[in-house]
Amino acid sequence: KNQVEQSPQSLIILEGKNCTLQCNYTVSPFSNLRWYKQDTGRGPVSLTIMTFSENTKSNGRYTATLDADTKQSSLHITASQLSDSASYICVVSPILTGGGNKLTFGTGTQLKVEL
Amino acid sequence: GAVVSQHPSRVICKSGTSVKIECRSLDFQATTMFWYRQFPKQSLMLMATSNEGSKATYEQGVEKDKFLINHASLTLSTLTVTSAHPEDSSFYICSARSGGGQETQYFGPGTRLLVL
Repeated sequence: KNQVEQSPQSLIILEGKNCTLQCNYTVSPFSNLRWYKQDTGRGPVSLTIMTFSENTKSNGRYTATLDADTKQSSLHITASQLSDSASYICVVSPILTGGGNKLTFGTGTQLKVEL
Repeated sequence: GAVVSQHPSRVICKSGTSVKIECRSLDFQATTMFWYRQFPKQSLMLMATSNEGSKATYEQGVEKDKFLINHASLTLSTLTVTSAHPEDSSFYICSARSGGGQETQYFGPGTRLLVL
């Protein structure tokens, strides 16, 4: 069964600090891996997208890495801001026999940034 | 990026009534739309996939007669929760994709449904 596991489940950091969120997956083969930010009561918003051949992708203060050999990805947030408080979801897009696109979602890491 | 809207954002209804949720792609044509349900502190769960002009494909365990999906145009899909019960209370999120294959899905802002 394809799975995406994230750690930690929740995280509290002080404003201005950096943090790294982890994603381990068993989905294989896959076409791409995405990190989404989901604010409470809102839909997910895409932060980064990487194909299986990419190792890193940046979007402002967000930097995602991908190690296809160990099936691990990370999302690094630098100089955190209060507005970064949200759930961060790792999503893997498997290549399915016969085509199709059924995303596999991680359970998310709930990040809280405090003063 | 592409914009997907949902309406309403929140709805409260009595048990036994039906509720319709709309999902619109505002600046692109969505050949495929997806409906998800998310319970508190849980991941998004795919309910069904709909392609414009054809019947929706429901995930295992999702009752097609209870969750009616219509994708009548390339910019609009609707989800109707029929005879809603309190256990249907959840956060419903749609997403839209412009083409087939591995194109990005753009998510709507979600609809909070509370059934009393």
